Amino acid sequence: EADIYQTPRYLVIGTGKKITLECSQTMGHDKMYWYQQDPGMELHLIHYSYGVNSTEKGDLSSESTVSRIRTEHFPLTLESARPSHTSQYLCASSPGTGAMNTEAFFGQGTRLTVV
Amino acid sequence: SQQGEEDPQALSIQEGENATMNCSYKTSINNLQWYRQNSGRGLVHLILIRSNEREKHSGRLRVTLDTSKKSSSLLITASRAADTASYFCAPRSNDYKLSFGAGTTVTVRA
Repeated sequence: EADIYQTPRYLVIGTGKKITLECSQTMGHDKMYWYQQDPGMELHLIHYSYGVNSTEKGDLSSESTVSRIRTEHFPLTLESARPSHTSQYLCASSPGTGAMNTEAFFGQGTRLTVV
Repeated sequence: SQQGEEDPQALSIQEGENATMNCSYKTSINNLQWYRQNSGRGLVHLILIRSNEREKHSGRLRVTLDTSKKSSSLLITASRAADTASYFCAPRSNDYKLSFGAGTTVTVRA
């Protein structure tokens, strides 16, 4: 069973609010990822990190920001939520150096609704 | 990194039948991974096939890889209702990115 956790599972928030989606893993993985997915649609990579103090933008431009101060923690922040940010956000992690070929583990996702 | 393109977009089969879906990609890879996503949840890794492998089995799953055609297929034999899900491929190159396409949605009818 994967030890990667996302909180909250569901969040309904008003327009203009600042929010942080949490993602933590206890496996010591170097690589972590954030995806955005609308129901029944494609997963879009929005941010990834290959270690502490490294963050990169993904394939889809996003107004969110991320940080990686600790190996186990990769939070995603929206400074001012808008209805267009309504979506499911999935976090994943995979082992680092010398293990590029291994699998990724996913959290259960955060379903965000901005009203 | 690159993302795979799954085909077909959707597949509906009777319980007990086999389901086959394909993945095409554009540039050379180290390996290709298949994942399953049950409705509204995170993805689960199913199987990884390396670039020097041509076929791999795991339970009722069979994956093939043809690097000359830059394509892979996933076969689920004797399908069950619990196999109803979306299936994604992830071709992996020499970088850290992990990207996915739109997936194949499989519905297994009782």
